[in-house]
Amino acid sequence: NSKVIQTPRYLVKGQGQKAKMRCIPEKGHPVVFWYQQNKNNEFKFLINFQNQEVLQQIDMTEKRFSAECPSNSPCSLEIQSSEAGDSALYLCASSLGNTLYFGEGSRLIVV
Amino acid sequence: GDSVTQTEGPVTLSEGTSLTVNCSYETKQYPTLFWYVQYPGEGPQLLFKVPKANEKGSNRGFEATYNKEATSFHLQKASVQESDSAVYYCALSDRGGNEKITFGAGTKLTIKP
Repeated sequence: NSKVIQTPRYLVKGQGQKAKMRCIPEKGHPVVFWYQQNKNNEFKFLINFQNQEVLQQIDMTEKRFSAECPSNSPCSLEIQSSEAGDSALYLCASSLGNTLYFGEGSRLIVV
Repeated sequence: GDSVTQTEGPVTLSEGTSLTVNCSYETKQYPTLFWYVQYPGEGPQLLFKVPKANEKGSNRGFEATYNKEATSFHLQKASVQESDSAVYYCALSDRGGNEKITFGAGTKLTIKP
């Protein structure tokens, strides 16, 4: 069973609505990642954090997403204005060394 | 940038037969190589990783050898079971620590009883 906890498991949003997902990383893992997995199972790296600071992010994330990883609170990823193309499984992972440990994901459907 | 190419799926095999999923990679660094497996409705989970060239990783009967010369990391299993049905991902991390991991496109494996 995964020790990375993601909520909610499913969310359905209309186009233009905000969509927010949360992640509790595994205790003791210093780095948190977000990936988007599309219907073809392809992974797209979105952003990663270490100690609340952003390490890397892609252009799309910077423009359309709001993400944070505060101390003593769950990490979150929020799409400011959902688009149909955002429908996907959003995977949070925490890492120890260079190994990722994933949660079960939050599946977003944008209608 | 880094890239990973693996056997295109889907792959369907009968229980008890052997499996090979090819994986090749491109990177300018000295990567750690991974195989992850994802079952329906779950997140990916680590099958095993190999940080050093010419070493072998294994878990649950699966194995792969890090071939630096051929830049390959093919997944093999001698005798598959129905419970092995899942999507398998080859991946690499080109530096230790906090760098993102690059995943292959995944190979969907279905094992018939």
